[in-house]
Amino acid sequence: DGGITQSPKYLFRKEGQNVTLSCEQNLNHDAMYWYRQDPGQGLRLIYYSQIVNDFQKGDIAEGYSVSREKKESFPLTVTSAQKNPTAFYLCASGQGGDEQPQHFGDGTRLSIL
Amino acid sequence: GENVEQHPSTLSVQEGDSAVIKCTYSDSASNYFPWYKQELGKRPQLIIDIRSNVGEKKDQRIAVTLNKTAKHFSLHITETQPEDSAVYFCAASKAGRRALTFGSGTRLQVQP
Repeated sequence: DGGITQSPKYLFRKEGQNVTLSCEQNLNHDAMYWYRQDPGQGLRLIYYSQIVNDFQKGDIAEGYSVSREKKESFPLTVTSAQKNPTAFYLCASGQGGDEQPQHFGDGTRLSIL
Repeated sequence: GENVEQHPSTLSVQEGDSAVIKCTYSDSASNYFPWYKQELGKRPQLIIDIRSNVGEKKDQRIAVTLNKTAKHFSLHITETQPEDSAVYFCAASKAGRRALTFGSGTRLQVQP
């Protein structure tokens, strides 16, 4: 959706380096989500935030960190503790109520140098 | 936690035929079931969703059915076209924890 912007599109990480993926939305959505997709597989939840200044761990949070200081922004940091970071990272947002759809950004493809 | 299983993993049909993809979920509290279509290297796009108080929903050639008792839901695509070729994902969420749990995906190939 045009209202969810992820950057950069491609990112390369050196060993021992932290990198931050940007996700911005102008849809006035309360909830934002980060998912990881490995080749040929489904999406797995890393972190999610239902309101500003609050977030919860998903199923695979180890080696990742997030912040939610502004409603429109939910950056994801891939730390050096994440030993297998190569994947397609997708950010999503939604109105946050029950039974509400989520819409995705175009993703960031992260690779190891 | 929630577990969503999706079958088949690959599906090949002739143009004009119907395609059916099935998913089962484990958490009886799940109440929202979207379906996404993902083309190679692109974002998943929501194509249809169903809520737990509804048994069936249609949108042109696409329909979704939900059986809460059996905890399974299915995507039906009729009159398939080559542009329907993609990977389809089912997902589920529940009140409170609104993040989605995804199935592993079905690669649909429509042969012209």
